[in-house]
Amino acid sequence: DAGITQSPRHKVTETGTPVTLRCHQTENHRYMYWYRQDPGHGLRLIHYSYGVKDTDKGEVSDGYSVSRSKTEDFLLTLESATSSQTSVYFCAISESYFYEQFFGPGTRLTVL
Amino acid sequence: AQSVTQLDSHVSVSEGTPVLLRCNYSSSYSPSLFWYVQHPNKGLQLLLKYTSAATLVKGINGFEAEFKKSETSFHLTKPSAHMSDAAEYFCVVRSYSSASKIIFGSGTRLSIRP
Repeated sequence: DAGITQSPRHKVTETGTPVTLRCHQTENHRYMYWYRQDPGHGLRLIHYSYGVKDTDKGEVSDGYSVSRSKTEDFLLTLESATSSQTSVYFCAISESYFYEQFFGPGTRLTVL
Repeated sequence: AQSVTQLDSHVSVSEGTPVLLRCNYSSSYSPSLFWYVQHPNKGLQLLLKYTSAATLVKGINGFEAEFKKSETSFHLTKPSAHMSDAAEYFCVVRSYSSASKIIFGSGTRLSIRP
């Protein structure tokens, strides 16, 4: 298995609070991605990174920000969580954008 | 524009019988196509990928898929289902042009009857 960890694995928070999810990789892959998974929607790309300090938006980026200060870490921040952001969040990595992606175990976030 | 449609939200087969999970795609350019599997409460695992080499692609655990450009399909098959195959399967299309051009299908849940 690719060396990808996500923390926390589960989180319950209240509407309006900030939340940060962390993705850590040990594979030294250049690309890192954040997805959310909701029933009936498959996975949808939130943001991705193509290098340290290089990030771009995905399909559902509103309400989310990201940062990547080191190759191995990619942070996803919900500045002010809303109930619509209740979801399972997956991090993925790839050597290049046209190579296959490897996924982390996921973080289940509940916003009350 | 790219899109991917998984034609069945749920497929149920008996153990030992063939599996067919259907996927149709739309892409302006020659796409890369993938199948991933997700077991309950787990992350996604790559089953196989098509990247414009052989049209019949073999993956892990006995799965294979055939790229048919004329039909814009990339169906996943397995000759004989095993109980451990019960999971959610996702067809994915991505463009060579951009890292953000990746589209997941809505998933097909595969159930295996004893």
